[in-house]
Amino acid sequence: SQTIHQWPATLVQPVGSPLSLECTVEGTSNPNLYWYRQAAGRGLQLLFYSVGIGQISSEVPQNLSASRPQDRQFILSSKKLLLSDSGFYLCAWTLDSITQYFGPGTRLTVL
Amino acid sequence: QKEVEQDPGPLSVPEGAIVSLNCTYSNSAFQYFMWYRQYSRKGPELLMYTYSSGNKEDGRFTAQVDKSSKYISLFIRDSQPSDSATYLCAMSEVDSSYKLIFGSGTRLLVRP
Repeated sequence: SQTIHQWPATLVQPVGSPLSLECTVEGTSNPNLYWYRQAAGRGLQLLFYSVGIGQISSEVPQNLSASRPQDRQFILSSKKLLLSDSGFYLCAWTLDSITQYFGPGTRLTVL
Repeated sequence: QKEVEQDPGPLSVPEGAIVSLNCTYSNSAFQYFMWYRQYSRKGPELLMYTYSSGNKEDGRFTAQVDKSSKYISLFIRDSQPSDSATYLCAMSEVDSSYKLIFGSGTRLLVRP
């Protein structure tokens, strides 16, 4: 069966510091991968998606970037965090291009 | 106007009640419609999805899509306290990326 992992689970970072969040999927090959951010009490905002290694599409111009160095690995990064980057970051995958399955999320607080 | 509108609630019902959760949307190109359940501080869990119009039933859950009205619903029968969560609707067009557009979620509280 397929499993999706995200780490860290929680993170507290000062403004201006770098960020690296990692997502890995097990038990499948060549999935579409997605990064979402969820602000408190709000829906999910799509940040990036990838249909293959090295292929990244950005949905929202902002302080973040994404990379897909391996088939089942998706990384979200920032060189300098802003207060507005705080939120709940979720990684998702799909194989059948219809249903997306989410990881446990990373709660980021920027102080 | 947001592409997908969803009442944030909270919706409070007694145990055993029938719950109706709804979303409206503006993009007539949406073809896939999903419902996710999200417990506090957890990732969303896919409950059901439907393609185009019609109904789909899975146990206590029924999803309905009315494309002519751009309106979707999720019904929960015999609601349980364990159903207390935030319910997110999501939709997508048919293309190679299958990007989901989410509603903001409705918080449901089922009282014992």
